[in-house]
Amino acid sequence: AQSVSQHNHHVILSEAASLELGCNYSYGGTVNLFWYVQYPGQHLQLLLKYFSGDPLVKGIKGFEAEFIKSKFSFNLRKPSVQWSDTAEYFCAVNATGTASKLTFGTGTRLQVTL
Amino acid sequence: KAGVTQTPRYLIKTRGQQVTLSCSPISGHRSVSWYQQTPGQGLQFLFEYFSETQRNKGNFPGRFSGRQFSNSRSEMNVSTLELGDSALYLCASSFWTSGRPGELFFGEGSRLTVL
Repeated sequence: AQSVSQHNHHVILSEAASLELGCNYSYGGTVNLFWYVQYPGQHLQLLLKYFSGDPLVKGIKGFEAEFIKSKFSFNLRKPSVQWSDTAEYFCAVNATGTASKLTFGTGTRLQVTL
Repeated sequence: KAGVTQTPRYLIKTRGQQVTLSCSPISGHRSVSWYQQTPGQGLQFLFEYFSETQRNKGNFPGRFSGRQFSNSRSEMNVSTLELGDSALYLCASSFWTSGRPGELFFGEGSRLTVL
């Protein structure tokens, strides 16, 4: 069975700082990878996804993630965070052939200060 | 386009009771998944339905069950409630395409408190 690890549980950054959130997964087969975000009081929404092709994927609001197959990683990055990026971020993996089943990491709470 | 709608949004039950939660997916979405979200365990997959058939099931006891209707609306039921069932139950719908999952669109959840 697949598993997902997010190493940073709580990250505090000042506005304009760069962001990198770690995500590692454990699964020997082909995977699809996702980052979801949950803003305070709102529902989960998709930031970006990787299925195949270019391992550097760009998502909404200036976020990007890089899939490094050899490291089983899919880290999320943003060059300059804004106060409005304060939210909880979830990495998720879908093993090919498991339909829409996602395995989520435990989440990283990002707090951006002014 | 209306989003995923879950009802009720909040409910309080006592141990031993049963509860039914409802989910209306986005129009045209035939896949509906359910997740349990708790502070300790995070988001855990319960089950997925597609065209009224359970396609995937997570590692939850048989007290947790679900179904999907012909209009793609889904319900999940938890019987003999335990304190540990207190959680936010999230429903997600997607437009399934052959071979790969579509984006999951989540509802705002049903927050269940078991006393």
